[in-house]
Amino acid sequence: DAKTTQPTSMDCAEGRAANLPCNHSTISGNEYVYWYRQIHSQGPQYIIHGLKNNETNEMASLIITEDRKSSTLILPHATLRDTAVYYCIVRVATNTDKLIFGTGTRLQVFP
Amino acid sequence: GAGVSQTPSNKVTEKGKYVELRCDPISGHTALYWYRQSLGQGPEFLIYFQGTGAADDSGLPNDRFFAVRPEGSVSTLKIQRTERGDSAVYLCASSLNAGANIQYFGAGTRLSVL
Repeated sequence: DAKTTQPTSMDCAEGRAANLPCNHSTISGNEYVYWYRQIHSQGPQYIIHGLKNNETNEMASLIITEDRKSSTLILPHATLRDTAVYYCIVRVATNTDKLIFGTGTRLQVFP
Repeated sequence: GAGVSQTPSNKVTEKGKYVELRCDPISGHTALYWYRQSLGQGPEFLIYFQGTGAADDSGLPNDRFFAVRPEGSVSTLKIQRTERGDSAVYLCASSLNAGANIQYFGAGTRLSVL
């Protein structure tokens, strides 16, 4: 699975959009971009995934660049409960193998 | 519906003791994973089951660690002769062997070895 690079930490004001970047320049054609987050003292939680088209669900939007070498997770209206560590992971969707987590981005949402 | 359940939520033990950590996956999920998370780090893979068999145990750090899933549902992670360095949060996840193979995680067991 391809390696990802994320900023260590970010801040966001409550109610504003949080835009979390991820670089995955070695991504292969059959690899998807997955995002998970981990709120303090909880297990990681799946957010969203995508291959090349932009995706949106009730939690977030995922924007993938045309060359697929980077992506951005967007939380449109961040709340205090969105404070968490966000992990960007690249993997083949049909692969049932392990997830490889980096250190993620620690997002702090402030009032 | 019920999510992944891990028991106990906290375990304190003494160096050299044996511990067992239990994971109840989501009903019907054939794949089950164990990860370990140290403070400030992302989860690290330990072992993965497909049904009853271990499909990949390459993450187990040494032979003191062992895991079983005898009936293809509940799994137990066993640690012999615990060491202080084993202190961490042990996370379990399960997934359907289909589609996007999203892994659903439990809240973890915090193991403290004194």
